[in-house]
Amino acid sequence: AQSVTQPDIHITVSEGASLELRCNYSYGATPYLFWYVQSPGQGLQLLLKYFSGDTLVQGIKGFEAEFKRSQSSFNLRKPSVHWSDAAEYFCAVGATDSWGKLQFGAGTQVVVTP
Amino acid sequence: NAGVMQNPRHLVRRRGQEARLRCSPMKGHSHVYWYRQLPEEGLKFMVYLQKENIIDESGMPKERFSAEFPKEGPSILRIQQVVRGDSAAYFCASSPNGNRQETQYFGPGTRLLVL
Repeated sequence: AQSVTQPDIHITVSEGASLELRCNYSYGATPYLFWYVQSPGQGLQLLLKYFSGDTLVQGIKGFEAEFKRSQSSFNLRKPSVHWSDAAEYFCAVGATDSWGKLQFGAGTQVVVTP
Repeated sequence: NAGVMQNPRHLVRRRGQEARLRCSPMKGHSHVYWYRQLPEEGLKFMVYLQKENIIDESGMPKERFSAEFPKEGPSILRIQQVVRGDSAAYFCASSPNGNRQETQYFGPGTRLLVL
């Protein structure tokens, strides 16, 4: 069965420091991978997605992610975080058994300190 | 182009009452997905609908929950005889064609509180 794991429940980072959020997946075929961000009380916004081609994907708000098939990972990075990046981040994979259904990780809460 | 709209944003119900959650997809989108987010958890898929059709309801509880997406009007998620465990945020997403590569655009969610 496919699964998505975000090992870090909570990360605290200083403003201006770099950020990396981990995502591991278990999947039988070529995965369709997504990163979403959720601000408090809001819906989810897509940061970036990967389904083929260049394994380094650029997204909005200065985020990027790298697909590593050998490690079954799709980690999200940002070189320098801003206070507005404080939010919850979800990794998701497109399901094999249903067009369009997304399976989400449990999320990583990011806190940005001054 | 308005985004995905959900109403109400907050809903309070007493145990045993019915909850009706509405979702209007983005203009031009005919595929709707419902997800539930329990406190401190990620989103869990519930149901995937196309106009007048349920495509995948594998994530729906077997009892009390139903969903529809009529030819005209919003998609409705209906929860009958609510219990405290139904308290959660319910998110709707839409996409144009249901293709796995497509972005799903999420609404702001309905936060249901069952007293």
